[in-house]
Amino acid sequence: EDQVTQSPEALRLQEGESSSLNCSYTVSGLRGLFWYRQDPGKGPEFLFTLYSAGEEKEKERLKATLTKKESFLHITAPKPEDSATYLCAVLEETSGSRLTFGEGTQLTVNP
Amino acid sequence: EAQVTQNPRYLITVTGKKLTVTCSQNMNHEYMSWYRQDPGLGLRQIYYSMNVEVTDKGDVPEGYKVSRKEKRNFPLILESPSPNQTSLYFCASSLLTARGTDTQYFGPGTRLTVL
Repeated sequence: EDQVTQSPEALRLQEGESSSLNCSYTVSGLRGLFWYRQDPGKGPEFLFTLYSAGEEKEKERLKATLTKKESFLHITAPKPEDSATYLCAVLEETSGSRLTFGEGTQLTVNP
Repeated sequence: EAQVTQNPRYLITVTGKKLTVTCSQNMNHEYMSWYRQDPGLGLRQIYYSMNVEVTDKGDVPEGYKVSRKEKRNFPLILESPSPNQTSLYFCASSLLTARGTDTQYFGPGTRLTVL
């Protein structure tokens, strides 16, 4: 069974304090790994799609990387507006459309 | 603006009173899906549709119905809602490639309370 585990569950940072969120996955074949940002009571907002090990993507203070077993979301010099829950999801090679989500990491950035 | 819209955004109803949550997308996506999100359980797929008139069950389909008569719309129907269907619901859509779906884009959510 496909599994997606995110760590830590919660992370509290000071403004400007860089850190990384982890998403480890167990699938028979990865077709895509997705990062979303979710604010309380709102829909997941798409951030990145990664398709193969070694791939990296960046957007403002965020950088996502992918290996064969895990993905990292690096946050450089975060600001309070980066506070949100970050969700990781994987699409398995033979699943067609089945997206398996992790539980998320709740990030709080204090000013 | 490319988007997925849902209505209503908030709904309080009583047990057994049929309701429909609408979902519409303007990106010409073939694939659409419904999820529910509950504390401690994450996002779980209810139903999905690969194209018009093609729907299939996700992980938690019991108590729900869907239809896909038009490409842009994918309503979620609760024929006889029960309190355990109190949840936050999201609609999503995606392009279909030769290998299946790709990035899914989510709507703003519908918070449903069943008393």
